[in-house]
Amino acid sequence: QVTLRESGPALVKPTQTLTLTCTVSGFSLSTSGMCVSWIRQPPGKALEWLALIDWDDDEYYSTSLKTRLTISRDTSKNQVVLTMTNMDPVDTATYYCARIAGYDRPIDYWGQGTLVTVSS
Amino acid sequence: DIQMTQSPSSLSAFIGDRVTITCQASQDISNYLNWYQQKPGKAPKLLIYGASILETGVPSRFSGSGSGTDFTLTISSLQPEDIATYYCQQYDNLFYTFGQGTKLEIK
Repeated sequence: QVTLRESGPALVKPTQTLTLTCTVSGFSLSTSGMCVSWIRQPPGKALEWLALIDWDDDEYYSTSLKTRLTISRDTSKNQVVLTMTNMDPVDTATYYCARIAGYDRPIDYWGQGTLVTVSS
Repeated sequence: DIQMTQSPSSLSAFIGDRVTITCQASQDISNYLNWYQQKPGKAPKLLIYGASILETGVPSRFSGSGSGTDFTLTISSLQPEDIATYYCQQYDNLFYTFGQGTKLEIK
């Protein structure tokens, strides 16, 4: 059974760095084709793709946010970590991690999401 | 970056109606187009991938069509449980983009 679970702070202050962890089970981050992405959704707004890390540890980022994002993984812990620097109130959103089982495949499994509020 | 334009942004229909949502890509994406359904407070759920392939377990009243830049999601007979927001999503060379969403309501 494939599951993904996001964890991290619910509240961060402006200018701080956000660190979110996605813990996966039911598949291996090292299996050929396996990718994990981060996607966010501000309250009442659309989904926005942020970043992806693949089975070969290659990283891909949203063009508009790439200077602020870092995605990494720890295969021993079955975890994928997203950091976002210089947080702003407009970054308030539910952050999802999700699995993509191949470059040309859809997102087939999602975490439940974690709401991050940016406020002083 | 490829932009996805979804229309309409909201839609109200009767139970039993045929409902159509469109998605247009800013450039040719072949058939790398997926559709998701999102209910309030929940993560999105995959409905259609590869523009027209129905995900396992999704009711057959859902269908997708199109290729290149123009795509359509159709619900052949709207049911109460279909009330949700629908998103298209494209994949292009390891960059992903979502449409703005279509909120579907019952009349």
